[in-house]
Amino acid sequence: SQELEQSPQSLIVQEGKNLTINCTSSKTLYGLYWYKQKYGEGLIFLMMLQKGGEEKSHEKITAKLDEKKQQSSLHITASQPSHAGIYLCGERRRGGSEKLVFGKGTKLTVNP
Amino acid sequence: DSGVTQTPKHLITATGQRVTLRCSPRSGDLSVYWYQQSLDQGLQFLIQYYNGEERAKGNILERFSAQQFPDLHSELNLSSLELGDSALYFCASSVASAISTDTQYFGPGTRLTVL
Repeated sequence: SQELEQSPQSLIVQEGKNLTINCTSSKTLYGLYWYKQKYGEGLIFLMMLQKGGEEKSHEKITAKLDEKKQQSSLHITASQPSHAGIYLCGERRRGGSEKLVFGKGTKLTVNP
Repeated sequence: DSGVTQTPKHLITATGQRVTLRCSPRSGDLSVYWYQQSLDQGLQFLIQYYNGEERAKGNILERFSAQQFPDLHSELNLSSLELGDSALYFCASSVASAISTDTQYFGPGTRLTVL
């Protein structure tokens, strides 16, 4: 079945640095969702991308969906300790259920 | 706060037992989803209910069942528990319309520990 590959699996950065997390699919993405999870807590919705070339921003976080709709990237500018957590991308499949299929997640640590 | 509530927050029980997890969706959301998150499998879809009816099934074991009540809250029942069932169980809700931008909002989760 189609899987979402996230890279890197983990990332440690110094506060103030920029970083990028990638989410890649083997097939065309119908809808791509980004969530953030603090350890052991619920998922917080960040952004949803659907159209090829689409880009959305929320505060210092920007997400893009490439033109072929097979990869999305999440970019954080001037990272802060509050950005630390696990970032998950989820894909909505075309047709039928609205269920989401998730990648394994990227664990981000931001050192002050 | 997503508006989705789950109880209990933590649950510790023994193998062979049965537990019930409860979820209240956001106001106006008709669809409820259950997900299981474990270290080895990641976040996996279990089952979806829409306005009281089962809509989709994922990797849900036969020992697990769910239902959605007329007031739209949902319960996930886990029986004959095994050590491997220890995980975080999340409920999410959405309007679940045909619009592709429908967003799922997640509850805080229930951490189940089976001893």
